[in-house]
Amino acid sequence: GESVGLHLPTLSVQEGDNSIINCAYSNSASDYFIWYKQESGKGPQFIIDIRSNMDKRQGQRVTVLLNKTVKHLSLQIAATQPGDSAVYFCAETGGSYNTDKLIFGTGTRLQVFP
Amino acid sequence: DADVTQTPRNRITKTGKRIMLECSQTKGHDRMYWYRQDPGLGLQLIYYSFDVKDINKGEISDGYSVSRQAQAKFSLSLESAIPNQTALYFCATRGRDADTQYFGPGTRLTVL
Repeated sequence: GESVGLHLPTLSVQEGDNSIINCAYSNSASDYFIWYKQESGKGPQFIIDIRSNMDKRQGQRVTVLLNKTVKHLSLQIAATQPGDSAVYFCAETGGSYNTDKLIFGTGTRLQVFP
Repeated sequence: DADVTQTPRNRITKTGKRIMLECSQTKGHDRMYWYRQDPGLGLQLIYYSFDVKDINKGEISDGYSVSRQAQAKFSLSLESAIPNQTALYFCATRGRDADTQYFGPGTRLTVL
């Protein structure tokens, strides 16, 4: 079946540096992707999303890049801050464009040190 | 997100007990979802509901049941809890014309 996974389980970055969190997906027909941030003891928080007809989308300090050729999704965080420390995971629709049945990755923990 | 609340936030129970987890939302969303989260695994969908009369099973519905009492309320029940149902449980909501799901703060359930 389809799978969504992350290359790195833990990413440590220095405050002020840029962070890049990666996600691979296996279903080439997937058409919608989301990044969530989950802080300790809290529920997942929506960060940014992108549809498959786009390659890049920017938000406030965050950018999502979609490379459909290699089925790869990345989240870039500019000027990483201590408050960015959390687990980040991606989700996809698995090719059905059914946003009721998202497939979630396992997550990457981002640690920000001074 | 304060617009989606879950009660209780933590619960410890014993095998065989009946447990109900509750979710309420003030976002006015039609769609509501229940997920479980286990260490090392992605969120898994248990049940979802499009409205009060429309309930659908997710990928791991066995051992669970749900009730959509109103548009704003969606409850998850474990009729006879077992230890492997120990997990974090999240409720989420989504508007009819939107793609994004918004999550509650979660309930940590421990079944002894």
